[in-house]
Amino acid sequence: QLQLHESGAGLVKPSETLSLTCTVSGVSISSSLYFWGWIRQPPGKGLEWIGGLSSSGRTYYEPSLESRVSLSVDTSKNQFSLNLTSVTAADTAVYYCARALPDFGPYDVWGQGTPVTVSS
Amino acid sequence: DIQMTQSPSTLSASVGDRVTITCRASQGIGMWLAWYQQKPGKVPNLLIYQASILESGAPSRFSGSGSGTDFTLTISSLQPDDFATYYCQQYNTYFMWRFGQGTKVEIK
Repeated sequence: QLQLHESGAGLVKPSETLSLTCTVSGVSISSSLYFWGWIRQPPGKGLEWIGGLSSSGRTYYEPSLESRVSLSVDTSKNQFSLNLTSVTAADTAVYYCARALPDFGPYDVWGQGTPVTVSS
Repeated sequence: DIQMTQSPSTLSASVGDRVTITCRASQGIGMWLAWYQQKPGKVPNLLIYQASILESGAPSRFSGSGSGTDFTLTISSLQPDDFATYYCQQYNTYFMWRFGQGTKVEIK
């Protein structure tokens, strides 16, 4: 059964870098045609797409975040990661990783989400 | 950039009501639209994709329609379990996956 699990620091200081990892179990990232993505949800607000990547490592970013975001994949660990630089309080949110169906499909499997607070 | 706009932002309805939520894309997206349901404190759940295809396990009272720029999600007879927030999302176009701002369905 496919499962995704986010991990990383829950508290990040302003101007520092937020780093999260999504560990995938139940399917090999490298052998699939699926895409993988990160989505966040600030407290009391809606869903915001951050970026996505293919199993080969090709990346796609939300334009408003592109200057601060980088995604990467580690097929040996069956993980993919998010780095968001120069964070501010506006980056406080629950961060989700998710699997997208093949060929840029919708997100059909989600991790449970991890809350990240930006505060000094 | 493509923008996804949902209406209304909040909807008050009673059990048994027929409910319709609208999603409009600022540019044509064909039928590449999905709908998600999210309950408070829970993970979003895919309901419909490709505008009208019901995800496996989603109740048949949910249906979707539309193409191009205008889409709707309909709940034929609202059930207590359906009070939640619903999001549309465009995918497979413009190399991004943008969400609408959400529609909260409340108890009237």
